[in-house]
Amino acid sequence: SAVISQKPSRDICQRGTSLTIQCQVDSQVTMMFWYRQQPGQSLTLIATANQGSEATYESGFVIDKFPISRPNLTFSTLTVSNMSPEDSSIYLCSVEDPTDRAKNIQYFGAGTRLSVL
Amino acid sequence: AQSVTQLGSHVSVSEGALVLLRCNYSSSVPPYLFWYVQYPNQGLQLLLKYTSAATLVKGINGFEAEFKKSETSFHLTKPSAHMSDAAEYFCAHVTDKLIFGTGTRLQVFP
Repeated sequence: SAVISQKPSRDICQRGTSLTIQCQVDSQVTMMFWYRQQPGQSLTLIATANQGSEATYESGFVIDKFPISRPNLTFSTLTVSNMSPEDSSIYLCSVEDPTDRAKNIQYFGAGTRLSVL
Repeated sequence: AQSVTQLGSHVSVSEGALVLLRCNYSSSVPPYLFWYVQYPNQGLQLLLKYTSAATLVKGINGFEAEFKKSETSFHLTKPSAHMSDAAEYFCAHVTDKLIFGTGTRLQVFP
């Protein structure tokens, strides 16, 4: 398994500002994932972040709004830019099982609960 | 389109009663299937996974799920609910990426 730390755990932000969420994992992993969970809904994949390359964004998500950094094999950040109330969600990072990618298992951080006023 | 469908957004049971959370998948190729649990104010935790080794999969906390290809189902069960089982449960499958169902909130009454 993998232990994932996400910071901040929650924040309240003003519209028009940006928030950067950090994700730290206790082992080296190739792929890290960022998800959004809107209130009362399921998880939606925002993007996949591989170390050393540009993140791959899912339909409906763009780099200008959700820039991602992946400077090494244990760390990634997601920035929510120019926030509006519609960005109020839980943002979660996850990683593939570092011991066996073929298992297709993902481990999740505790999430960042964002409220935008 | 590939998807998982969870029937029932809310399920309520009494403590000690059977828990049954339903999940159906649509895919032409049997995928990898998972159940995740999300306790209040926490991230997701893997309960169990199906990867074609056995149709009945046992997970943590007494949960198990049976893969039924003929029904394209992967329902989650637990013989006796505990108060601590109250949480949101997500069925998920993966082909090229992990796809989550809409979730089922389980309430357990004393």
